[in-house]
Amino acid sequence: GQQVMQIPQYQHVQEGEDFTTYCNSSTTLSNIQWYKQRPGGHPVFLIQLVKSGEVKKQKRLTFQFGEAKKNSSLHITATQTTDVGTYFCEYQTGANNLFFGTGTRLTVIP
Amino acid sequence: EAQVTQNPRYLITVTGKKLTVTCSQNMNHEYMSWYRQDPGLGLRQIYYSMNVEVTDKGDVPEGYKVSRKEKRNFPLILESPSPNQTSLYFCASSWGRGIEQYFGPGTRLTVT
Repeated sequence: GQQVMQIPQYQHVQEGEDFTTYCNSSTTLSNIQWYKQRPGGHPVFLIQLVKSGEVKKQKRLTFQFGEAKKNSSLHITATQTTDVGTYFCEYQTGANNLFFGTGTRLTVIP
Repeated sequence: EAQVTQNPRYLITVTGKKLTVTCSQNMNHEYMSWYRQDPGLGLRQIYYSMNVEVTDKGDVPEGYKVSRKEKRNFPLILESPSPNQTSLYFCASSWGRGIEQYFGPGTRLTVT
């Protein structure tokens, strides 16, 4: 079964504030992927993290993979209304175990 | 244009009436999968396929069938749909398991 918690489930922020979502595992993950799903849309791939302690940036988005490969975060600096959507982590615990987190729905208040 | 297509996009049907949701990709991807999305539960994998004629169960396979006779197509079959299969379904493809997946636009299924 799934061993990863994604938090928070919902987040409302004022435009310009920062936002962070976390995926926390009780076991070591092989890798982790992050996806964004706009309201009414389909998931779109953002990034993959594979290495322990890895940090990747995409403009205002910063992705981290913990040193123990048990947790990951997606941080958005200075949110904009275009950031609205649900952010999912997808994680792999072994060769055949691939799951999605339950998602964090972000609302940005203009 | 690289894409994953699904048909139909919307479907309302009745309990027990067999249906098929088609999925096709034009990227020559080997890996394809089906997910269902329900509020509060995220995306749950139904079935996946590593290559032609190779399929395997995901997290929630009960009540579903798939086939992979050609590389580009991966239809999802509901032999006898039930109301608890009312959901939003996504097909996805990628070069391999656990790497970037390309999702189709989704099929919203209602079973009454």
